[in-house]
Amino acid sequence: EVQLVESGGGLVQPGGSLRLSCAASGFTFSSHWMHWVRQAPGKGLVWVSRINTDGSITNYADSVKGRFTISRDNAKNTLYLQMNSLRAEDTAVYYCARRDSSGYLDIWGQGTMVTVSS
Amino acid sequence: DIVMTQSPDSLAVSLGERATINCKSSQSVLYSSNNKNYLTWYQQKPGQPPKLLIYWASTRESGVPDRFSGSGSGTDFTLTISSLQAEDVAVYYCQQYYTTPYSFGQGTKLEIK
Repeated sequence: EVQLVESGGGLVQPGGSLRLSCAASGFTFSSHWMHWVRQAPGKGLVWVSRINTDGSITNYADSVKGRFTISRDNAKNTLYLQMNSLRAEDTAVYYCARRDSSGYLDIWGQGTMVTVSS
Repeated sequence: DIVMTQSPDSLAVSLGERATINCKSSQSVLYSSNNKNYLTWYQQKPGQPPKLLIYWASTRESGVPDRFSGSGSGTDFTLTISSLQAEDVAVYYCQQYYTTPYSFGQGTKLEIK
């Protein structure tokens, strides 16, 4: 079964850091670009970041550029999102998603909740 | 950045009736080299991740009921549910994957009248 499972969310103080993980299974992880998308409570979906198959190309939303770092370990079939200098407005469910070879996001994880609050 | 705007924000439709959701992009998402529109539709139910319904603006994902259809090209797109079922109550999002950032519409909440 094709599956993505996020972990690493939790409660963190403003200015703190957190690293999210996304474990992939059931498909050839190293062949797919991967994305992070977030959703604040009661709000819509917002694209956060993407990474290419070997990790050499990364892109970020302006709102997280310079604070978040996307990376991957193809040997471990795992995607990461290192989040630094966290702000209250980063509070959201964070989803990892697989990019199909045609470009659209076809498989999504269940999400992990990040709460930034003092 | 491409801005995606959906209408309406919410919609109430009777069971068995047609539901129509619109999505407009601030610039064309039609890639001229392959004549494909880089536009997807997702369905999201409470407490669940988004589920892919439609890609290339009009291609139904495997397993999606044929009452769901997508249409449009360039900057104007439509998701139609031909005969609303109770399990279709959800929030629907359009998204462009023409360029980063992969922007989403604000969502349309679909309810039963």
